[in-house]
Amino acid sequence: AQSVAQPEDQVNVAEGNPLTVKCTYSVSGNPYLFWYVQYPNRGLQFLLKYITGDNLVKGSYGFEAEFNKSQTSFHLKKPSALVSDSALYFCAVSPGVGYNFNKFYFGSGTKLNVKP
Amino acid sequence: NAGVTQTPKFQVLKTGQSMTLQCAQDMNHEYMSWYRQDPGMGLRLIHYSVGAGITDQGEVPNGYNVSRSTTEDFPLRLLSAAPSQTSVYFCASSLSGRGGETQYFGPGTRLLVL
Repeated sequence: AQSVAQPEDQVNVAEGNPLTVKCTYSVSGNPYLFWYVQYPNRGLQFLLKYITGDNLVKGSYGFEAEFNKSQTSFHLKKPSALVSDSALYFCAVSPGVGYNFNKFYFGSGTKLNVKP
Repeated sequence: NAGVTQTPKFQVLKTGQSMTLQCAQDMNHEYMSWYRQDPGMGLRLIHYSVGAGITDQGEVPNGYNVSRSTTEDFPLRLLSAAPSQTSVYFCASSLSGRGGETQYFGPGTRLLVL
């Protein structure tokens, strides 16, 4: 079965400190990996994705994520958190070529709280 | 360019009632999908479509019907609403649905079934 895990329901960090939001997955083939952010009462917004190539992916608003194939992880990171980064973050995965990559699987979400 | 639009924003239904959640996109995307978002469970795929006339089931299709008669529209139908269908529903689209494409999400429809 395909699954995505975000082990932390909530992450608290002080403004200016680095942040990490964790994601691990179990998906067939070489998957495609995404991070989305959701602000209150809004739809999801795309942050970044890993398709192939360099394991470190850079995205919007200074976020980056590191793909680790051996650990099946795709953790979201930012060197210096802002209060405006406070939101709900979702990791998403779709199976790779040869599998049904039309299906996307989302983690349960991690609420990021950045305190001034 | 409005992107992905959803109507209504909020709806209250009584058990057994039917309704259609509307979704439209103006980006000429082939792939469209419906998700439900429940606390602690993230988003779960209900149905998806890779083009007009083609639909398929996702993780949680029971109780929902879809059809795709045009590229732009992908309505989600609840034939007989149940309290378990209380949720926030999101529609999303991407260019072709091939692996690795970014999905664009609508603002959501909040549904309460009494």
